[in-house]
Amino acid sequence: ETGVTQTPRHLVMGMTNKKSLKCEQHLGHNAMYWYKQSAKKPLELMFVYSLEERVENNSVPSRFSPECPNSSHLFLHLHTLQPEDSALYLCASSQGQGAGYGYTFGSGTRLTVV
Amino acid sequence: GQQVMQIPQYQHVQEGEDFTTYCNSSTTLSNIQWYKQRPGGHPVFLIQLVKSGEVKKQKRLTFQFGEAKKNSSLHITATQTTDVGTYFCAGIMGNRDDKIIFGKGTRLHILP
Repeated sequence: ETGVTQTPRHLVMGMTNKKSLKCEQHLGHNAMYWYKQSAKKPLELMFVYSLEERVENNSVPSRFSPECPNSSHLFLHLHTLQPEDSALYLCASSQGQGAGYGYTFGSGTRLTVV
Repeated sequence: GQQVMQIPQYQHVQEGEDFTTYCNSSTTLSNIQWYKQRPGGHPVFLIQLVKSGEVKKQKRLTFQFGEAKKNSSLHITATQTTDVGTYFCAGIMGNRDDKIIFGKGTRLHILP
């Protein structure tokens, strides 16, 4: 257990489905992140939240919609995904947002879009 | 754009041999971090280097930050099967955005 909990661990969804990924941390961290990890690609930053406010959106398609209701919880809402969206989605948190803080990653959600 | 390149992409070593992965940035870095991801697992923070020329050790792992703060290396002495995984460097650009950019990682495979 890393201190950052992600659910579900695995998810298979059709292209017309709507689903949500959940991330929870009780480390007292102020920043939370969504990353996408695909084979043979670097970790891709999707969204950054600092003190519950979105501070960065790396040109992510609108079929991915984040939500951060409080500093401990982060969601990624998914709808009308494409097969190329299949990947490992990692949530991470850090004490602050910016240089100098190591990230604590969750175990990830392995998403398969069929 | 800003990039962090890691080489090699893959490395197979005999158990007991040494291993090194290198990280190079196109721009000067503020800090550099290293992470390890075991097969089927998630990245785990190992260390952060901040100072030019800094060298830090964690048991058999030696981390180095270049004098120009544009490159870094991770060296493992006498590899063990528990070292299997992918090692990522992550460069922090240190500009106003403090953007962190991950390398593609080096996947280490240990031959028994």
